[in-house]
Amino acid sequence: EADIYQTPRYLVIGTGKKITLECSQTMGHDKMYWYQQDPGMELHLIHYSYGVNSTEKGDLSSESTVSRIRTEHFPLTLESARPSHTSQYLCASSEGVSVPRQFFGPGTRLTVL
Amino acid sequence: DQQVKQNSPSLSVQEGRISILNCDYTNSMFDYFLWYKKYPAEGPTFLISISSIKDKNEDGRFTVFLNKSAKHLSLHIVPSQPGDSAVYFCAASVDSNYQLIWGAGTKLIIKP
Repeated sequence: EADIYQTPRYLVIGTGKKITLECSQTMGHDKMYWYQQDPGMELHLIHYSYGVNSTEKGDLSSESTVSRIRTEHFPLTLESARPSHTSQYLCASSEGVSVPRQFFGPGTRLTVL
Repeated sequence: DQQVKQNSPSLSVQEGRISILNCDYTNSMFDYFLWYKKYPAEGPTFLISISSIKDKNEDGRFTVFLNKSAKHLSLHIVPSQPGDSAVYFCAASVDSNYQLIWGAGTKLIIKP
C-alpha cells in the first residue's frame, strides 16, 4: 500500500545532541516537504525538494538540513538540538500535477530538554 | 502578513447539526484551496479541494464554498458526527506546482 512514513513518532533528547528525523514515501512522488507545526499555529514550511539532489529552504528559517539522494527518502537533520527546536515535524509528498494535494506522514513530536 | 486566515480558533457544534468552518485569504492569485483535518499527534489528512473556477464542490457530508469576490471560503459538514472533532486547516496555492500556504486551524468540537 502506497504511504508515507516517519520515524521516530516521539523523541525526547538533551540539548546539543545530533538528531535525524526519517521520512520515506512509497508513492513515487517527486515533491517532498518538511513542515514545523505548533499547537494553534499554521504549518510552516522549512524545507522542500522537487526531486533527487534538489533541496530548498522554506519560508521559516530553520537550523536543520535535509538531503534527497533517493526519490523515496527525505531525512531532516539537526546538528545540535536546542529547546527552541521542540515542535511537531511533519513530512509530506505530492504529485503536484492537477491539484496541489499533499500527503502527510504521522509526524515526529520532538522535545529537547 | 498572514495570507490565509482562520479567525475562529475553536467551534463547538451539536452532533447531527451543521458545522461551518470559515477561511479568508488576501492573495487574489490563489487558484487552489484545500481543507485538511488533523487529529492530535497525527499528520493532516486531505478532505476536499476547490479550484478558483468553481464556487462549490461537494463530497459526501463535506461541501466547500468559494466566494472569490469576498476572498472567502467555507467548509460545511452535514450532519456533524463525533469523529469530526479535530483541527481543520485551510490551505491555498498559486497553482498546482506551488507550495501550500496554511491557515492556523480551527478546532471543531462535536458535542453529543
